[in-house]
Amino acid sequence: KNEVEQSPQNLTAQEGEFITINCSYSVGISALHWLQQHPGGGIVSLFMLSSGKKKHGRLIATINIQEKHSSLHITASHPRDSAVYICAVRAFGNEKLTFGTGTRLTIIP
Amino acid sequence: ETGVTQTPRHLVMGMTNKKSLKCEQHLGHNAMYWYKQSAKKPLELMFVYNFKEQTENNSVPSRFSPECPNSSHLFLHLHTLQPEDSALYLCASSQERRSRGNTEAFFGQGTRLTVV
Repeated sequence: KNEVEQSPQNLTAQEGEFITINCSYSVGISALHWLQQHPGGGIVSLFMLSSGKKKHGRLIATINIQEKHSSLHITASHPRDSAVYICAVRAFGNEKLTFGTGTRLTIIP
Repeated sequence: ETGVTQTPRHLVMGMTNKKSLKCEQHLGHNAMYWYKQSAKKPLELMFVYNFKEQTENNSVPSRFSPECPNSSHLFLHLHTLQPEDSALYLCASSQERRSRGNTEAFFGQGTRLTVV
């Protein structure tokens, strides 16, 4: 069992829909990252969280440390949001990131 | 543009070839990483360099050999690879702050490697 579990693995939605991607982890962490990977392969860091909530444009990330759970929300989704979204955690006292397998999001016009 | 540049973007090599992947960061970071991404699997950390010193080698076969000549450049030297080594190889950098935790990681575009 992976230390970082994401759900769903695949998600297809219509343009404009509100999107939620979930991430659960099993270790104590110092930070959680949400990353976006486009088909070409490059990865962009969206958020780094250690508590609470962050918002950037149409993207919102929340984390519940007690429940070891984080969500990434996309409001007013657009086809250009189509990508793989990856959750990664950094355990306490460890510089390594442990990654989930990603959620493939497809937004249909 | 993330500030981390990888070359080449695509590489096809035979099992007897020797090639190198290059990563360059212009962010002033002190930590650089090599990751491997195989189909349907999470990213796997291969090597970590902090302040040009290798601090982690995640049981990577010796046919992969990293080199960090300075804090801005990282290489991955490849020789006698196997077809199962075909994958996307990603470089990343971050600023390690021992008392305050690392900053977020910035990734390159990756090198898509095919071993034939």
